[in-house]
Amino acid sequence: GAGVSQSPSNKVTEKGKDVELRCDPISGHTALYWYRQSLGQGLEFLIYFQGNSAPDKSGLPSDRFSAERTGGSVSTLTIQRTQQEDSAVYLCASSPGITVYYEQYFGPGTRLTVT
Amino acid sequence: AQSVTQLDSHVSVSEGTPVLLRCNYSSSYSPSLFWYVQHPNKGLQLLLKYTSAATLVKGINGFEAEFKKSETSFHLTKPSAHMSDAAEYFCVVSRTGANNLFFGTGTRLTVIP
Repeated sequence: GAGVSQSPSNKVTEKGKDVELRCDPISGHTALYWYRQSLGQGLEFLIYFQGNSAPDKSGLPSDRFSAERTGGSVSTLTIQRTQQEDSAVYLCASSPGITVYYEQYFGPGTRLTVT
Repeated sequence: AQSVTQLDSHVSVSEGTPVLLRCNYSSSYSPSLFWYVQHPNKGLQLLLKYTSAATLVKGINGFEAEFKKSETSFHLTKPSAHMSDAAEYFCVVSRTGANNLFFGTGTRLTVIP
């Protein structure tokens, strides 16, 4: 079956511009996660959605970062006024239910380069 | 708070020899522990997980890991390395029942023919 998909696969943007990254989770998965993988920070949790509950935003590094999940399916991660330190691979994952008892399935990521 | 330390950033083994990737964890709570693998240009894949059941956990592709509370370790092993095992491996911890994962810095495994 189809896995988690992310678009675009690569994004190059100028410092100060806004970017939107998209994640399509596996159909039927109620939980969706965003992570960031960068050379300096490794792989870090950003935000988590579960059904219609309020998202867990505890990992967002600044108020320039926001995310939405519409209709309990597709999610968009938005970075406003991008900075060079935002350059990283942004990974999305989905799982069938809440808590880490359920395996998280990862997408291939979006590589963001801020010039 | 939860964290993991992967003791080796790079491990190199010959094909057919054993693999040992080391991981120590720190957790204020009862932890769940995982190993993920990331092949070049591919997404992360779960190898195995420990969630307070059997301490010796068997995963895919012949990998296994043992949870040792007294040593706060969760080392990943495989009896015989295959060329296809070459990848980046991440040790991951979470609080049991929680929702987000905390990743180690990764260990790059090279398999020499």
